[in-house]
Amino acid sequence: DVKVTQSSRYLVKRTGEKVFLECVQDMDHENMFWYRQDPGLGLRLIYFSYDVKMKEKGDIPEGYSVSREKKERFSLILESASTNQTSMYLCASSPHRGRDTEAFFGQGTRLTVV
Amino acid sequence: GDSVTQMEGPVTLSEEAFLTINCTYTATGYPSLFWYVQYPGEGLQLLLKATKADDKGSNKGFEATYRKETTSFHLEKGSVQVSDSAVYFCALYNTNAGKSTFGDGTTLTVKP
Repeated sequence: DVKVTQSSRYLVKRTGEKVFLECVQDMDHENMFWYRQDPGLGLRLIYFSYDVKMKEKGDIPEGYSVSREKKERFSLILESASTNQTSMYLCASSPHRGRDTEAFFGQGTRLTVV
Repeated sequence: GDSVTQMEGPVTLSEEAFLTINCTYTATGYPSLFWYVQYPGEGLQLLLKATKADDKGSNKGFEATYRKETTSFHLEKGSVQVSDSAVYFCALYNTNAGKSTFGDGTTLTVKP
C-alpha cells in the first residue's frame, strides 16, 4: 500500500516562528502536493512539485515555501508563522500525470499558531 | 480557472436512506473526475473515479456518472450506513495543469 506520512499530527507554534512540516512517501511517486483544509473552504493548493528540486506555486502560496531535495520528501515551510495560518495541512502524492491519476493523502497536521 | 461546486452540508440521514450529493464543475480542457472521502481524524482517500464522459465510477455501493453535457458528477448510494458518516469531496484532475481542484466538502452524518 502507498503510504504518505506526515511528521506530526498536531503542532502548536508561536507567532513569528519558522515552522517545518515534513512529508514522506514510500512509493516513488513523481508528484507531491501541499494543501490546507479549512471549514467551508475545502482543500486549497499551496505548492506542488513534479520532480526533485522542482516546485510550482498553487492557489495560495503567500507566506509559504517548499523544499524537495529528495524524491520521497516534500517539506512545507512557514517562514514566519502567523495566526491566520492556523489550519489543517494535508500532504499528497501521485504517481504520474495520466487521466486516472489519483492522489494519496497523509493523515494531516493540525497546526495552531498562537 | 478550474472550479468544483458541491452541495452544501451538513447532510443528516437515517440509516438505509438514499443519498445524493450534487457536484458540478467548470474546467479548461477535459478533466477526470473523482470523489474522495475523509473519515474522522484521517486524510482523504479515493472513493471512486471516472476518466471520460458517460463513465460510471463505483465502489462500496457508491456510484457517480461523468455527465459532460451537464458538467456534473453526482454521488449516489441507495442505502447508507452509519459507517458512511464522513466528509465527501468532489474533485477534478486537469491533466494539462497536472493538479487537482477540490470542492468544499459535504459532511454526511448517518443516524441509526
